[in-house]
Amino acid sequence: DTGVSQDPRHKITKRGQNVTFRCDPISEHNRLYWYRQTLGQGPEFLTYFQNEAQLEKSRLLSDRFSAERPKGSFSTLEIQRTEQGDSAMYLCASSQPGQGVEGYTFGSGTRLTVV
Amino acid sequence: DQQVKQNSPSLSVQEGRISILNCDYTNSMFDYFLWYKKYPAEGPTFLISISSIKDKNEDGRFTVFLNKSAKHLSLHIVPSQPGDSAVYFCAASAQDSNYQLIWGAGTKLIIKP
Repeated sequence: DTGVSQDPRHKITKRGQNVTFRCDPISEHNRLYWYRQTLGQGPEFLTYFQNEAQLEKSRLLSDRFSAERPKGSFSTLEIQRTEQGDSAMYLCASSQPGQGVEGYTFGSGTRLTVV
Repeated sequence: DQQVKQNSPSLSVQEGRISILNCDYTNSMFDYFLWYKKYPAEGPTFLISISSIKDKNEDGRFTVFLNKSAKHLSLHIVPSQPGDSAVYFCAASAQDSNYQLIWGAGTKLIIKP
């Protein structure tokens, strides 16, 4: 297992376009998190899945954002009608049952630039 | 409303000396604190943590100190090595938060030869 994988690593899109990112967690990890990190800031929580169930969503996740984890394995994060303010690093993390927050393993992130 | 604050955007330390990174928090419900290290183009990696029932945790060259009354924690790295150059994030979680982490803005540590 090579850890948490995120695809693509970089995405440049025009304002108004839709984008989708993918996260493949470590296979035995049932918890999956999405965070967003803007320049000069720490990561901010977006949403959390336990298996396929989306258990929590931040108010940062506007109606233009949607996340899925259809089979409890990989997850996708879609942003519709992108805005320049969506430019950020989108980080995915996973952890396994019984682990606390120390058990997070982060992917390398997808850097989105909206032009 | 920043619940976790790292007021120093950067810190430069001579190799071999002690690096001290600071973090302040405002939410008294936080009961677990972590430090993460991040290299460019990589995700954050866990470094060391401390529970609110402790005031110190040590792991090799890394020690985290927690002062609950001051709502302050610090990370000490002794001795500092060139490979320690990275961005360090302080993060906190509260019980029953689904392990959601609240992060500081990070401190860029530069170890000078």
